[in-house]
Amino acid sequence: GNSVTQMEGPVTLSEEAFLTINCTYTATGYPSLFWYVQYPGEGLQLLLKATKADDKGSNKGFEATYRKETTSFHLEKGSVQVSDSAVYFCALSEMGTTGNQFYFGTGTSLTVIP
Amino acid sequence: KAGVTQTPRYLIKTRGQQVTLSCSPISGHRSVSWYQQTPGQGLQFLFEYFSETQRNKGNFPGRFSGRQFSNSRSEMNVSTLELGDSALYLCASSGGTPGNTIYFGEGSWLTVV
Repeated sequence: GNSVTQMEGPVTLSEEAFLTINCTYTATGYPSLFWYVQYPGEGLQLLLKATKADDKGSNKGFEATYRKETTSFHLEKGSVQVSDSAVYFCALSEMGTTGNQFYFGTGTSLTVIP
Repeated sequence: KAGVTQTPRYLIKTRGQQVTLSCSPISGHRSVSWYQQTPGQGLQFLFEYFSETQRNKGNFPGRFSGRQFSNSRSEMNVSTLELGDSALYLCASSGGTPGNTIYFGEGSWLTVV
């Protein structure tokens, strides 16, 4: 079946530190991979996506590369800001199936301190 | 372009009651899916509707049901509420092709007392 495993949190970093949140997946077919971010009291917002192997998604300084050989989609940012404090979810949606069901990781809470 | 709109945002219900939540998708989107978010279980898929038909269903009891109207708006209903149904219920819409990005609303916070 399909599943996503992501790094346990919470993660606390100082401003301008480097961020990595690990994400690995299991899929029976050819998934698209996503990172969503959730700010307190809000729904999830798309952060970035990649639809095929070796694609790199990027947005707002965040990057993630679709690695088929390691079934991974790790999220990185070179210099975090206080405003990046949020919960980050890795997710997959598998192509070639009926429907558009997403599978989410458990979320990683990030707190950035000044 | 308006985003996904969910109503109500907050509600409190008593055990045994039922509740109906509403979702208006992004204009032009034909797929609406629902997720339950709780601290212990994370994001759990409830069901997906496309062109008024349920296309996928998660592993939830029959007390959880939904429907979609011809204008793509969707409702979900939970009957005989239990304390464990307290959660954030998120609606998401997309074009409907597998792999499409889904766009979430802000959610409906349900508290069962």
